[in-house]
Amino acid sequence: NAGVTQTPKFQVLKTGQSMTLQCAQDMNHNSMYWYRQDPGMGLRLIYYSASEGTTDKGEVPNGYNVSRLNKREFSLRLESAAPSQTSVYFCASSERGVVDGRIGYTFGSGTRLTVV
Amino acid sequence: AQSVTQPDIHITVSEGASLELRCNYSYGATPYLFWYVQSPGQGLQLLLKYFSGDTLVQGIKGFEAEFKRSQSSFNLRKPSVHWSDAAEYFCAVGSGTYKYIFGTGTRLKVLA
Repeated sequence: NAGVTQTPKFQVLKTGQSMTLQCAQDMNHNSMYWYRQDPGMGLRLIYYSASEGTTDKGEVPNGYNVSRLNKREFSLRLESAAPSQTSVYFCASSERGVVDGRIGYTFGSGTRLTVV
Repeated sequence: AQSVTQPDIHITVSEGASLELRCNYSYGATPYLFWYVQSPGQGLQLLLKYFSGDTLVQGIKGFEAEFKRSQSSFNLRKPSVHWSDAAEYFCAVGSGTYKYIFGTGTRLKVLA
């Protein structure tokens, strides 16, 4: 089925460990995003990629890095995980460029990350 | 600063009853407004969106929302709630750049 695929679905890390969250979309969308969702705080943008080859910081980029590997794939890396990064992470994509706020996003089903 | 407020954290309704979820926004220009639904363990799904024209917009699953500029509101409604509507609902504002500002969500519980 067409959509946004995230892996893994669940992950437990120890403080200081690193890991990469993978995201791929098969809708030929130009723009991709990483959000984190925390109770009572809604969704907050970590990083986004307007188009292949570009990435920019969102509201809460500290402690994260991203790579737009190609048009389909956008990965999020935690270099040294901290308990404050315990969250649910969502990848999303949109058809047109980021400047078009009229276009809704297509979301993946999320990665639940726990850092102990 | 731009913001989105969903004043109700939790709402409980009986199956078959009507539903209204509130959303207020703060934004200088004409906003692009969205409602998303999140079922447990799932990502967000777009319910409906408003960016111009008729202020009453229809969405999927029988939902509708009305944009009221004078009240800075974009409330979500459904005439008759089904048990499968139990989920968390997010209002969002798109500002014309990349930023979607999401509200903190309203969790809907449906009583049989």
